[in-house]
Amino acid sequence: DIQMTQSPSSLSASVGDRVTITCRASQNINNYLNWYQQKPGKAPKLLIYVTSSLQSGVPSRFSGSGSGTDFTLTISSLQPEDFATYYCQQSYNTLWTFGQGTKVEVK
Amino acid sequence: EMQLVESGGRLVQPGGSLRLSCAASGFAFSNYAMTWVRQAPGKGLEWVSAIKGSGGSTSYADSVKGRFTISRDNSKDTLYLQMNSLRAEDTAVYYCAKAQLFEVPQGWGADYWGQGTLLTVSS
Repeated sequence: DIQMTQSPSSLSASVGDRVTITCRASQNINNYLNWYQQKPGKAPKLLIYVTSSLQSGVPSRFSGSGSGTDFTLTISSLQPEDFATYYCQQSYNTLWTFGQGTKVEVK
Repeated sequence: EMQLVESGGRLVQPGGSLRLSCAASGFAFSNYAMTWVRQAPGKGLEWVSAIKGSGGSTSYADSVKGRFTISRDNSKDTLYLQMNSLRAEDTAVYYCAKAQLFEVPQGWGADYWGQGTLLTVSS
């Protein structure tokens, strides 16, 4: 199975901060990397697919980059509604796997 | 409006069985692959299983292979997860999600999710 490792596991930030979350795959997954946002008690929401494509309706302050094994989710200017947990997920093969999550908390 | 509604979660004893359902509406259900993802209390997301639109191809996480069976009834727009030999570690909220094959750039993702149903495995 492909293992996905996110860092950090949590971070504290303020509104307006630039936030970066990284995700590393245990093998080359090309660009088959998605990012999800989850708020407490809610279902996950797809933010970015295939590394850098913004899902419809997602604000442009979210962006993704990377290739191969190393990927990044960036929030350019953190907004109050962005405090949540973020997960990366690979779809390189039919056995999808998620990272362990990164919780973005209020500083 | 696209909607996925899971049901069937409840308290089950270890070794027991349960079937979860996911009723879909607002899209051409049979045209899309579907997937189950679970989340243990206070933990992260774990992909469980997926099935193609025709139902002819399925896949499972190692943690559930041989115990869980994914299926669908396209005439009822409903996805199922039959779970046997349940263990305490299967306790989780189970989400169904629509799997979208994005064309440009090409790749898979889960673009619509239900609200989840809670399975508790305990004696």
